[in-house]
Amino acid sequence: LAKTTQPISMDSYEGQEVNITCSHNNIATNDYITWYQQFPSQGPRFIIQGYKTKVTNEVASLFIPADRKSSTLSLPRVSLSDTAVYYCLVGEVNNDMRFGAGTRLTVKP
Amino acid sequence: KAGVTQTPRYLIKTRGQQVTLSCSPISGHRSVSWYQQTPGQGLQFLFEYFSETQRNKGNFPGRFSGRQFSNSRSEMNVSTLELGDSALYLCASSLPGTSSRETQYFGPGTRLLVL
Repeated sequence: LAKTTQPISMDSYEGQEVNITCSHNNIATNDYITWYQQFPSQGPRFIIQGYKTKVTNEVASLFIPADRKSSTLSLPRVSLSDTAVYYCLVGEVNNDMRFGAGTRLTVKP
Repeated sequence: KAGVTQTPRYLIKTRGQQVTLSCSPISGHRSVSWYQQTPGQGLQFLFEYFSETQRNKGNFPGRFSGRQFSNSRSEMNVSTLELGDSALYLCASSLPGTSSRETQYFGPGTRLLVL
């Protein structure tokens, strides 16, 4: 599983766009990049997944540069309910799988 | 489709006891993974089961074990509980593929407190 590095925490205000970048320098050729959101005492929830370039769904966009060594989750116009921990995961389930600390996003009014 | 369900949601045990947690995956999902989440260590992978066989195992002691039934439901067992086993135990299911494209869907978790 590719090791990932994300900022530990980020603050934002309601209505702003938030970009969270994840570094994954040793991503393998067939690895997909998946982002999850987790609220306290709940299981992580799938947000978005991509392989290259840009992916957009109803809640977020995912930007992946050509070298795929990083990815950026973009949350448009965040609200207070977007306060959560966001995890970047690269690769498949295996013996060494670890989500890492994730990025704790705090949205302020 | 119903999501991943886990029972019980909350559990209190004392040191030395054993505990069994249950997970029912999304219908059609044949892969079930278990994770332990603690404030200090984050989300750590315990093991993965596919077609009633353990396919991957994380770095946990033998006190942690699991199994999967023919209907894909899974159980995990922790024997001789220690205080450090207090955690949120999460179960995730996915379709049968091994590709990282297979998204995992998590259950709400079982909160275990060991006294």
